[in-house]
Amino acid sequence: GAVVSQHPSRVICKSGTSVKIECRSLDFQATTMFWYRQFPKQSLMLMATSNEGSKATYEQGVEKDKFLINHASLTLSTLTVTSAHPEDSSFYICSASTSGGADTQYFGPGTRLTVL
Amino acid sequence: AQTVTQSQPEMSVQEAETVTLSCTYDTSESDYYLFWYKQPPSRQMILVIRQEAYKQQNATENRFSVNFQKAAKSFSLKISDSQLGDAAMYFCAYSAHINAGNNRKLIWGLGTSLAVNP
Repeated sequence: GAVVSQHPSRVICKSGTSVKIECRSLDFQATTMFWYRQFPKQSLMLMATSNEGSKATYEQGVEKDKFLINHASLTLSTLTVTSAHPEDSSFYICSASTSGGADTQYFGPGTRLTVL
Repeated sequence: AQTVTQSQPEMSVQEAETVTLSCTYDTSESDYYLFWYKQPPSRQMILVIRQEAYKQQNATENRFSVNFQKAAKSFSLKISDSQLGDAAMYFCAYSAHINAGNNRKLIWGLGTSLAVNP
């Protein structure tokens, strides 16, 4: 149980284009989903927290207009990187939790984004 | 502000031996959760073990156990009978309240890279 999928696993795009990453909880309903960014050999950096049906809460320093998050259902959240630039290249990981994060977060396998 | 400190950037252990990874945290909360996650080279973050602060009993999951010292704010992970597949980055995390509601977020340590030698 508690499986989270993420799609795509890898994406390469040109500078200036937008990229959408999907995060799905496959066998449970996720009240809250989280989006992280991870640089090589570093810890996870929380970008935003999203509750189903409401606007995402972004961490300080994360541009809301650049990283659009939608959590339209209890099993799906999406992260759209708009007008991507090479500095947005990174490993993006989502996680899902059943009770506002008070319960355990279960993680997706991550998405490697490369912006040329 | 809550912080999590992992003082050992790298550790190594011989196969079948026991290793302990340290983690300390700082908080003014009395009710919280602590986690150890494992991130192997695949980069899939895997839950290893979870501890509720109100429980005095140390959590155990097969070969993995914790030594939770609430007063000292210490949460170390012991891996017994180490296996080659245990080689990974291990992250300690604290579940912190975001606001007055039920929402929480994880505060992460910097990680400990564990090598298992055959």
